[in-house]
Amino acid sequence: AQTVTQSQPEMSVQEAETVTLSCTYDTSENNYYLFWYKQPPSRQMILVIRQEAYKQQNATENRFSVNFQKAAKSFSLKISDSQLGDTAMYFCALEYGNKLVFGAGTILRVKS
Amino acid sequence: KAGVTQTPRYLIKTRGQQVTLSCSPISGHRSVSWYQQTPGQGLQFLFEYFSETQRNKGNFPGRFSGRQFSNSRSEMNVSTLELGDSALYLCASSPGDSGSTDTQYFGPGTRLTVL
Repeated sequence: AQTVTQSQPEMSVQEAETVTLSCTYDTSENNYYLFWYKQPPSRQMILVIRQEAYKQQNATENRFSVNFQKAAKSFSLKISDSQLGDTAMYFCALEYGNKLVFGAGTILRVKS
Repeated sequence: KAGVTQTPRYLIKTRGQQVTLSCSPISGHRSVSWYQQTPGQGLQFLFEYFSETQRNKGNFPGRFSGRQFSNSRSEMNVSTLELGDSALYLCASSPGDSGSTDTQYFGPGTRLTVL
């Protein structure tokens, strides 16, 4: 069975600072994909970043980057220069068989 | 391109009734997936349709069903509603035919309340 665990229910960070959200997963597959989605108060699920498991290089998207440790089955998200608009619920997700398995989410609050 | 659209955005039903939710994918996308989001269970996969065929199914009772039309629009139906069916229902679309994983893009969701 595929599982995703996010051990931080809530986090807060000051504007302009850096924060890291943790995610671990379990899968018996060798080729898979990992995602971070954000869900702001509007409830619209927005893709943040995607990582292919066969790629060793960590994905980056502007202020967002991941630390992908395949052997440890760890996939953390780093947000640099945090902005008030980053306030949202963040979900880590594992894709297999054209379906996503989500973690429980981490609420991130950016404070001014 | 226009994003994924879902109608209606809000719905209130009573126990025992049935409901139909609609999802229009991004133009050109042929795969549509449905997810249920609740405070207790989180985000759970319901099913995925590709080219009018159900390709994947999650662990939900038979009261939950869906279909996809030739224009890739999808509907989800829940019969004999229960209080526990109150949730945000999210639809996501992807190209679906790349041979590898496609990123799924989500709609704004339909908030269903069962009284």
